[in-house]
Amino acid sequence: QKEVEQNSGPLSVPEGAIASLNCTYSDRGSQSFFWYRQYSGKSPELIMSIYSNGDKEDGRFTAQLNKASQYVSLLIRDSQPSDSATYLCAAQAAGNKLTFGGGTRVLVKP
Amino acid sequence: EADIYQTPRYLVIGTGKKITLECSQTMGHDKMYWYQQDPGMELHLIHYSYGVNSTEKGDLSSESTVSRIRTEHFPLTLESARPSHTSQYLCASSLLGGDTQYFGPGTRLTVL
Repeated sequence: QKEVEQNSGPLSVPEGAIASLNCTYSDRGSQSFFWYRQYSGKSPELIMSIYSNGDKEDGRFTAQLNKASQYVSLLIRDSQPSDSATYLCAAQAAGNKLTFGGGTRVLVKP
Repeated sequence: EADIYQTPRYLVIGTGKKITLECSQTMGHDKMYWYQQDPGMELHLIHYSYGVNSTEKGDLSSESTVSRIRTEHFPLTLESARPSHTSQYLCASSLLGGDTQYFGPGTRLTVL
């Protein structure tokens, strides 16, 4: 079992819809969680970080964390074609290395 | 915007050559990392450093080596490149007390 699991996709959503991405992690000691976006052939760029249970909103993005269920999600509202990319979930226990999931590929169709 | 740089951005070389991939950051970050990523595949941590003269191997076995003589510089060296080393190499850095990693633009290496 991978430490951080994501559905590889592709997740196809129509333009303007909500894209919902899920991530589960196995290390209960994980305290910090991140969502990165990676365009094809480019390096990952940080979208959001979340540390506490609940929701965190930043523009069109909302991250949700449920430590009891070991579950992190990312919602992308009003999806745009420019949101088409691979989204990487990452988890980190205190002082430890970041562990990345395999990524979910999102395709936003005009 | 993270100030982390990698050179070269693209490199095509022949088998058996020695190469060094450069990574520099101007943010004063203590922690630096090297990841390897094949197209459409996962990121794999191959080396990391928590400060000057500190280097550790990552989760993925790699034939490369690294050094950390200066805080801002974390080069990766392949003594004898092989076609199996063809991949994208990503450098990242973070604060010692922080956890957010910032990535450089990557080096795409092709070994013929």
